[in-house]
Amino acid sequence: GAVVSQHPSWVICKSGTSVKIECRSLDFQATTMFWYRQFPKQSLMLMATSNEGSKATYEQGVEKDKFLINHASLTLSTLTVTSAHPEDSSFYICSAPWNSQGGYTFGSGTRLTVV
Amino acid sequence: GESVGLHLPTLSVQEGDNSIINCAYSNSASDYFIWYKQESGKGPQFIIDIRSNMDKRQGQRVTVLLNKTVKHLSLQIAATQPGDSAVYFCADRKPGGSNYKLTFGKGTLLTVNP
Repeated sequence: GAVVSQHPSWVICKSGTSVKIECRSLDFQATTMFWYRQFPKQSLMLMATSNEGSKATYEQGVEKDKFLINHASLTLSTLTVTSAHPEDSSFYICSAPWNSQGGYTFGSGTRLTVV
Repeated sequence: GESVGLHLPTLSVQEGDNSIINCAYSNSASDYFIWYKQESGKGPQFIIDIRSNMDKRQGQRVTVLLNKTVKHLSLQIAATQPGDSAVYFCADRKPGGSNYKLTFGKGTLLTVNP
């Protein structure tokens, strides 16, 4: 149980285009979704926290107009990288808390390459 | 965890040995700690967790030790196997429940030699 399905697993896009990443909770309701970015050989850095039905909260230094987050339902949160540039190339991971005891489940990640 | 630095610490062990991976965290208010395993190209996988009212917790082949005095967390893996090769991250969370964000440590690359 407590599975978050993340798609696509990898994507290559041209500079200037936008890419949407989806995370779906398959067997629970995700009222909160965390979005992370991970560069090679580095840790996970939290980008933003989305809550169903409200605006996302972005971490300091993360451009909210560039990384659009939508959490319109209890089972779907999306991250759209707008006007992508090569420096946006990274591994993006979503995560959702799934129980009151503190469990978190992670998506399988999306490898974004901007060329 | 202290998510700083550009280079992953590494630990290389022989198959069958015990491994100890260490982590420092910075927030003395953190009340919940988790260890994750991340294989290349995949999302983090839960290993074991511990709450701040405990100093030790054991799972299958893994033990987590928490020293709140020095804000230090360790993961012990017994009889390490090649399949344990991965990057291991600690994460901590401030009080506020599961909707509160995790802070990840820098990670340690564990390589198990057959």
